[in-house]
Amino acid sequence: DQQVKQNSPSLSVQEGRISILNCDYTNSMFDYFLWYKKYPAEGPTFLISISSIKDKNEDGRFTVFLNKSAKHLSLHIVPSQPGDSAVYFCAASSNAGKSTFGDGTTLTVKP
Amino acid sequence: EAGVAQSPRYKIIEKRQSVAFWCNPISGHATLYWYQQILGQGPKLLIQFQNNGVVDDSQLPKDRFSAERLKGVDSTLKIQPAKLEDSAVYLCASSLGAAKNIQYFGAGTRLSVL
Repeated sequence: DQQVKQNSPSLSVQEGRISILNCDYTNSMFDYFLWYKKYPAEGPTFLISISSIKDKNEDGRFTVFLNKSAKHLSLHIVPSQPGDSAVYFCAASSNAGKSTFGDGTTLTVKP
Repeated sequence: EAGVAQSPRYKIIEKRQSVAFWCNPISGHATLYWYQQILGQGPKLLIQFQNNGVVDDSQLPKDRFSAERLKGVDSTLKIQPAKLEDSAVYLCASSLGAAKNIQYFGAGTRLSVL
């Protein structure tokens, strides 16, 4: 029973265009959501987060949207750059602090 | 500020052998996590420590895996005996607290069990 799902294993976009990565969750107890980025041979690094009391959080080129009724969140990257090519993990947590990760989406940004 | 340190980076063993991984979290971080990441999947939590106490080890295969965090700082994860399906990257992460805290990950240890 996978509580956090990233249904697209891969995504390819052109440099300068928008990248949209999606994530769905099933556990209504989740109230905090994070996106991590991972380069090969490195550990994941935190990118952006959102609390369930918000529906949008923005940090530079990165924006996360949360639709609680649909149990869906998305990460928008505008404009996409070749350096954004990485694996992106969606994670969800509750007050207990345990984070559950999706299986990741590999983003490739083509010059 | 130094990040999360893990060693070794790579380990190759034969099945039924034992192996140990070491993690040094970011100074001052009370919470420490061990994850198993199988190729093509996301990190799966094995165990979570708050200082030197276990908060969650519900997904740790306790018949073969063990972990400890002495003095609330460094931690070791041991597998004994290893199985083929234990081949994965073992990630250590730390955070200031538990709830809603950003986790900082080490580079991981890639384990191959032959």
